[in-house]
Parts: sequence; C-alpha cells; structure tokens
Amino acid sequence: ETGVTQTPRHLVMGMTNKKSLKCEQHLGHNAMYWYKQSAKKPLELMFVYSLEERVENNSVPSRFSPECPNSSHLFLHLHTLQPEDSALYLCASSQDRQARQPQHFGDGTRLSIL
Amino acid sequence: AQSVTQLDSQVPVFEEAPVELRCNYSSSVSVYLFWYVQYPNQGLQLLLKYLSGSTLVKGINGFEAEFNKSQTSFHLRKPSVHISDTAEYFCAVSDVQGAQKLVFGQGTRLTINP
Repeated sequence: ETGVTQTPRHLVMGMTNKKSLKCEQHLGHNAMYWYKQSAKKPLELMFVYSLEERVENNSVPSRFSPECPNSSHLFLHLHTLQPEDSALYLCASSQDRQARQPQHFGDGTRLSIL
Repeated sequence: AQSVTQLDSQVPVFEEAPVELRCNYSSSVSVYLFWYVQYPNQGLQLLLKYLSGSTLVKGINGFEAEFNKSQTSFHLRKPSVHISDTAEYFCAVSDVQGAQKLVFGQGTRLTINP
C-alpha cells in the first residue's frame, strides 16, 4: 500500500516525443519532490515544491518541466529527452519541509528513451 | 554540505544469519539520519530514523541502527535475516537546520541466500 501513486509505471518514448509523468499523494502533505534514480548512482533530487510553489531546482535541464497544480498532484513534463535520461523517476512527499519529516515515496516511473 | 558513504555496494548473507550494513556520513553541522529500503520494482520505504535521544533506534521488520557521533556512523543491523529482506538499502542524512534536503548514499544491495 502506498499513499503516493505514480503513473505510468513504465514509459518508452522517442527523443522527439512529449510525455508527462504524474504523481498523486493521498497523505495531506504539503511538500512534494521529484528524484531521478540511475543505476550505480545515488538518488538525485530534481525539484522540490512546498505549498504548490517550486522552492528548489537542482540544475535540471529545461527538457524537464515540473508542474504542481495543487498540493496533492505533481507532474513532470518531458520533451526532447536524451538517452541518458533513461532512469527510474521517483516522486515523494512529506508533511512539510522540516528536516525531521520523513519522505514517503511512490513506486516510480521507469522511463526508457529510444 | 553533507555526504554519505555506504561502504559496501553488495552484501550476501545466508538466511537466519545476522547482518550489518555500514553507513558513514560527513557533515559540519548536526544531522538527522534515515535508512530507507527499496524492494524490487518499488519505491523507497522508511525503515527507521534518528532525530535525537537514544542512539539506538529500532525500526520496522526487526531492523535497528546505532548513531555514533564520534565515528560519524549510522550502521544498520538485523540479528536474523529472512529471504524477504532481499532489497536495496539506502542511508540518508538531512541538515538539522534549514529546510529538508535528503542526501542519499549509493545504496547497498542485500542478497539473502537460502
């Protein structure tokens, strides 16, 4: 059981396609996160939203565009991706941005770029 | 800035044997410490966390970890493992002050052999 739901679970796309990843949290949390998980590398924090406002962008290329229409939903819009963007994309949420709050993760979207 | 080192990328053990997964961190400020587990094809799930107080922290599924400030370590232990513990384990730290920003280690793959 997870309070954070990500769709789709798997996505295969060409480099010229446009697609979106969706994340929904049912926990009443106020902060949401996008991470990239690649093989042999630590999790990379991409974006942070707090109360629907983007508060952090960790030098992510513009071909990744996040959107947070409300505190329960987070999207990652993708366009003109590169093969090195193939990875597992994880969404997480936390009650707020206090450092002591644990993050709750979804099961991820496995993205493959052809 | 913080950093996390998980000293073993893979740890194979036999079922019902004890296991220790090592985690060392580097930080110039006080930190909170977390262990997460990732089962195959799933997202990360919180195992346990150290915020303050007793240095021995107990988590879910029979795991525990001990915070050692002088050695800047937070090793994870379980006295007797099961096949179902096969997963990847991530240690993470967050600066006590300021907004939450988890820094993850590279993960340790625990494989349980019958």
